[in-house]
Amino acid sequence: KNEVEQSPQNLTAQEGEFITINCSYSVGISALHWLQQHPGGGIVSLFMLSSGKKKHGRLIATINIQEKHSSLHITASHPRDSAVYICAVLSNFGNEKLTFGTGTRLTIIP
Amino acid sequence: DGGITQSPKYLFRKEGQNVTLSCEQNLNHDAMYWYRQDPGQGLRLIYYSQIVNDFQKGDIAEGYSVSREKKESFPLTVTSAQKNPTAFYLCASRRRGAIQNIQYFGAGTRLSVL
Repeated sequence: KNEVEQSPQNLTAQEGEFITINCSYSVGISALHWLQQHPGGGIVSLFMLSSGKKKHGRLIATINIQEKHSSLHITASHPRDSAVYICAVLSNFGNEKLTFGTGTRLTIIP
Repeated sequence: DGGITQSPKYLFRKEGQNVTLSCEQNLNHDAMYWYRQDPGQGLRLIYYSQIVNDFQKGDIAEGYSVSREKKESFPLTVTSAQKNPTAFYLCASRRRGAIQNIQYFGAGTRLSVL
């Protein structure tokens, strides 16, 4: 079993729909990252969470430390949101290493 | 602009050949990382370096080598011992010292075997 599991693996939605991507992890963590990978392969960091909720534009990320679960929400989705979204956790062992989920491929249809 | 530059974007390797992937950053970050990405799998850590002239093996270091002679540079060599080198390789860097310091990624190098 992977330490970081994401669901769904693939998601196709119509423009304007509310999107939820889930991430569950099985290890103790000090922080959780949501990353976005565009078709060309480059990766950008969207959020870093250690508790609660963060919002940036149409993106919202939440984390429940007790349940070892995080969600990434996209409101009013747009075709330019089409990308692979990756969850990664920073362990609390102090080695500053990230463990990555396999990603969720999101396609927004106009 | 500050950032991470990986080159080349595409690279082809012949059987028995060593190839080197370049990673340069001008962010003044102490830590640098090399990851490998295969279809259907999460990024896996190959090597990382927390400081100049020091580096550690990650989860899949066999068949790879690195050096960290300068703070801004962390080249990765894929040796002939790596029997399945075809993958997408990503370099990253971060400022050490706080968990809030995120990793910044390069655009990646796609390596294929001829």
